Amino acid sequence: SQTIHQWPATLVQPVGSPLSLECTVEGTSNPNLYWYRQAAGRGLQLLFYSVGIGQISSEVPQNLSASRPQDRQFILSSKKLLLSDSGFYLCAWSQGALGETQYFGPGTRLLVL
Amino acid sequence: AQSVTQPDIHITVSEGASLELRCNYSYGATPYLFWYVQSPGQGLQLLLKYFSGDTLVQGIKGFEAEFKRSQSSFNLRKPSVHWSDAAEYFCAVGANDYKLSFGAGTTVTVRA
Repeated sequence: SQTIHQWPATLVQPVGSPLSLECTVEGTSNPNLYWYRQAAGRGLQLLFYSVGIGQISSEVPQNLSASRPQDRQFILSSKKLLLSDSGFYLCAWSQGALGETQYFGPGTRLLVL
Repeated sequence: AQSVTQPDIHITVSEGASLELRCNYSYGATPYLFWYVQSPGQGLQLLLKYFSGDTLVQGIKGFEAEFKRSQSSFNLRKPSVHWSDAAEYFCAVGANDYKLSFGAGTTVTVRA
């Protein structure tokens, strides 16, 4: 069966510091991968998605970037964190193209101070 | 582009009572529809999905949803709520691309 991992689970970082969040999927190949952000009390905002290695689509211009160095690895990064980057970051995967079900990881809670 | 509206931000229901969460979507063709549940501090778990066929869909944890094309709705129901159903619920719609559009969510509080 497929599983999705995110780490770290919780992170507290100072403003201006770099960020690297990692997401790994097991048990499937060539998944579509997604990064979402969920601010406190708000819905999900799609940040990036990837349909293959090295293919990244950005949904919202911002302070963040994403990379997919391996088929089942998706990384969310920032060179300098802002206070507004605080939130709950969720990684998800799906298979196929036509509005397929997305399966979510456990999330990373990021607090920028 | 597709979009989803969840009109209720917060619903409070007594344990054992029935629950209905509303979801309206906007999309020109037949959409793919989903309901997810999120417990505090957790990821999203798929409750059920509709792609085609029978418009009444059964999901996990005793939930069901009904697709009504004429009303552009996909409401979620449960006949008898348990305290463990307290969570946030998200409706989502997918189309012929790689993305899902999520509603803003409905928070369900269950009182004893």
